[in-house]
Amino acid sequence: GQQVMQIPQYQHVQEGEDFTTYCNSSTTLSNIQWYKQRPGGHPVFLIQLVKSGEVKKQKRLTFQFGEAKKNSSLHITATQTTDVGTYFCAGPEPNFGNEKLTFGTGTRLTIIP
Amino acid sequence: DAGITQSPRHKVTETGTPVTLRCHQTENHRYMYWYRQDPGHGLRLIHYSYGVKDTDKGEVSDGYSVSRSKTEDFLLTLESATSSQTSVYFCAISESYRQYEAFFGQGTRLTVV
Repeated sequence: GQQVMQIPQYQHVQEGEDFTTYCNSSTTLSNIQWYKQRPGGHPVFLIQLVKSGEVKKQKRLTFQFGEAKKNSSLHITATQTTDVGTYFCAGPEPNFGNEKLTFGTGTRLTIIP
Repeated sequence: DAGITQSPRHKVTETGTPVTLRCHQTENHRYMYWYRQDPGHGLRLIHYSYGVKDTDKGEVSDGYSVSRSKTEDFLLTLESATSSQTSVYFCAISESYRQYEAFFGQGTRLTVV
């Protein structure tokens, strides 16, 4: 089956430093979604990317979808303590409609004040 | 937040006993999912439903069954709980006109002793 891997698994940064997490799929994706889960909370949708090479920004967050639509990245500029949490990417399984998602393993971000 | 309620929120049960977790939605979304979350594994799909009485297996379905007799309710049953099923369980919903963005419930922490 489809595999979606994320690196790194953990990242500790000083407040104000940048952070990047990478997502790689074993199959070509029709789209990719990103979610954030705060400690003790549930995953919350951040964004969806659909087009090859697409770049979207949300304030300090920049999301990219690779040209081959098999990888994606999330970059946070000048991290703040509110960015703490685990970030997941998710892509639809091939041969299904877009309703069946495979989630990546997640990157847990901790901030050192 | 989308109207999704999971019950119970916490449960401790003994090995070999049956357990049922309930997910209730008020959004009238077609798709409903059960995921489990374990350290190092991210979110793994157990079962999902694409309509009343229509369900399909996910990647970790062994030992679990589901039922959906009404649009708003999706039940997950552990027929005979094992310690390996100790986990945090999340229910999620999605709909095509919302680009299959997944809305998650608050989660159920299940401990099998």
